[in-house]
Amino acid sequence: AQSVTQLGSHVSVSEGALVLLRCNYSSSVPPYLFWYVQYPNQGLQLLLKYTSAATLVKGINGFEAEFKKSETSFHLTKPSAHMSDAAEYFCAVMFGNEKLTFGTGTRLTIIP
Amino acid sequence: NAGVTQTPKFQVLKTGQSMTLQCAQDMNHNSMYWYRQDPGMGLRLIYYSASEGTTDKGEVPNGYNVSRLNKREFSLRLESAAPSQTSVYFCASSEGGAGTVNYGYTFGSGTRLTVV
Repeated sequence: AQSVTQLGSHVSVSEGALVLLRCNYSSSVPPYLFWYVQYPNQGLQLLLKYTSAATLVKGINGFEAEFKKSETSFHLTKPSAHMSDAAEYFCAVMFGNEKLTFGTGTRLTIIP
Repeated sequence: NAGVTQTPKFQVLKTGQSMTLQCAQDMNHNSMYWYRQDPGMGLRLIYYSASEGTTDKGEVPNGYNVSRLNKREFSLRLESAAPSQTSVYFCASSEGGAGTVNYGYTFGSGTRLTVV
């Protein structure tokens, strides 16, 4: 079955440190891949998306993600964490039927 | 530029009561969706509508009904609310449609529902 897995429900990093949030998918064909961010008491905002163009995708707020077919991964990174990055992050996949399937989310905490 | 608008933002229901969650989008999108968000479970699809006049079940449709009133509006109804339906509900829309590249969804700000 096609699915998406986020490793680590909670991640803490120090301000200024590298942010790495992991996402792996299971599919026989490469899907479309997305990262969304949710700030407290808000809806989901699109960070970036992979739609079979460049494998390294740059998004808003300094985030980027790299699609690696051999590893079936789409990990989210940011070189230097900022306090404002504290939020919950969701990886999502879309297959041919255009329905988004979400991972269970990773809550990112930034340590001052 | 409102995007996706959901009403109400908060609601408390008693077990057995009914209510309708409203959603409207102003982006001329073809497809609309209802998700519920529960701690540790991410977002799960309840129902979706690929185009005006069509609706289909998602992953967790039991206890819900939907209506695609027109291209702009997609409502979610709870006929007899249960405590298990306590959740945050999100409506979303996307361009969708045959032959289009789906660039992802636009989400509303959510409805926080508590059933007591």
